Amino acid sequence: GAVVSQHPSWVICKSGTSVKIECRSLDFQATTMFWYRQFPKQSLMLMATSNEGSKATYEQGVEKDKFLINHASLTLSTLTVTSAHPEDSSFYICSLDRHSGANVLTFGAGSRLTVL
Amino acid sequence: SQQGEEDPQALSIQEGENATMNCSYKTSINNLQWYRQNSGRGLVHLILIRSNEREKHSGRLRVTLDTSKKSSSLLITASRAADTASYFCAPSPGSGGSNYKLTFGKGTLLTVNP
Repeated sequence: GAVVSQHPSWVICKSGTSVKIECRSLDFQATTMFWYRQFPKQSLMLMATSNEGSKATYEQGVEKDKFLINHASLTLSTLTVTSAHPEDSSFYICSLDRHSGANVLTFGAGSRLTVL
Repeated sequence: SQQGEEDPQALSIQEGENATMNCSYKTSINNLQWYRQNSGRGLVHLILIRSNEREKHSGRLRVTLDTSKKSSSLLITASRAADTASYFCAPSPGSGGSNYKLTFGKGTLLTVNP
């Protein structure tokens, strides 16, 4: 079964609303999780590194006030897309390194966001 | 972090044929990984090859690494329709730790026709 659970798997929202995506580690205490975004037929773009108990580290060009990341426990990281706009429509995927430093990532199944 | 560049962007073959995908990268690495992504899903780790290895096998997968050319290849033998997916390489320049991040290129979209 899945060891990284993402919820919801898909969501449709109106422009201007906020959407929260959860990423849960089911069998591993993850101090670090990674959030990616993928547009159709494009590569995965790393958005930010989620750090348990501290602020997330955002990649260049990613608005931290737009994409709020909270990593309050070792098994849960959340990504909130605030005041969503149609251009935020994308596939959001979380991942974590369960091999304690081998840099092998385990990914969630992804969350498809459509903003109307 | 650095991303690999996969080639070709798309590959279409018949079931039973072999599929070869290539990856190039720019800086020195500790290891290189290959991942697979089925349409609309997250990525799944396939295989990792370390910088001191030249070839590695896992089932129908064979990965080669040429650090002098900064390139890797993924060979899938006796392909099946279920192998249809996008394949990504991920060069990893260092050891682990919370500061390390993997990045990905656009991948190779493999279509295996029954």
